[in-house]
Amino acid sequence: DAKTTQPNSMESNEEEPVHLPCNHSTISGTDYIHWYRQLPSQGPEYVIHGLTSNVNNRMASLAIAEDRKSSTLILHRATLRDAAVYYCILRVGGSNYKLTFGKGTLLTVNP
Amino acid sequence: EAGVTQFPSHSVIEKGQTVTLRCDPISGHDNLYWYRRVMGKEIKFLLHFVKESKQDESGMPNNRFLAERTGGTYSTLKVQPAELEDSGVYFCASSLAADSSTDTQYFGPGTRLTVL
Repeated sequence: DAKTTQPNSMESNEEEPVHLPCNHSTISGTDYIHWYRQLPSQGPEYVIHGLTSNVNNRMASLAIAEDRKSSTLILHRATLRDAAVYYCILRVGGSNYKLTFGKGTLLTVNP
Repeated sequence: EAGVTQFPSHSVIEKGQTVTLRCDPISGHDNLYWYRRVMGKEIKFLLHFVKESKQDESGMPNNRFLAERTGGTYSTLKVQPAELEDSGVYFCASSLAADSSTDTQYFGPGTRLTVL
């Protein structure tokens, strides 16, 4: 399984930006980088994904290194509702793909 | 639009009993996935349906687990007989087009299974 490495935990203050890093040095050329998050007592929730270029959506931004061996999920203004475990996942495979979850990063947001 | 729903939300059974979990995917989603998190471990893939066919069941732990998706709509996951190590949270997810690079999986809230 394709591996990603994330810090176990991070802390942020409300209304401040958060940068969640992920290393994926074994990524191959066709692997997409996906981010999901899991709020307490809920199922995982899709956040964003990308291949090579940086991506923005209403939830977050994804910055991908030029060599694709690392990426950073950016929450521009953290809210208390963003407190969750964030998973960086490599989507490997074509139509028969599955998500391989690691331990993720537990993000704590302080009021 | 309704999301992925799972039933029951909690189930407490004794070792040796049978339990059936149900998942209703988002309407129109041909792809349905089962995952689980057992105590202290990471979320692990169990299997993937495309319509009513099992596309990948490489994550099923053993033959005590049986997943079905008759008619290609809802799916059930039966555990028979249940063992203590089966305790955990079982998640179902669905997606529209697994062959698309923009495909994303939508997860249900999970079923928490406790085997005593």
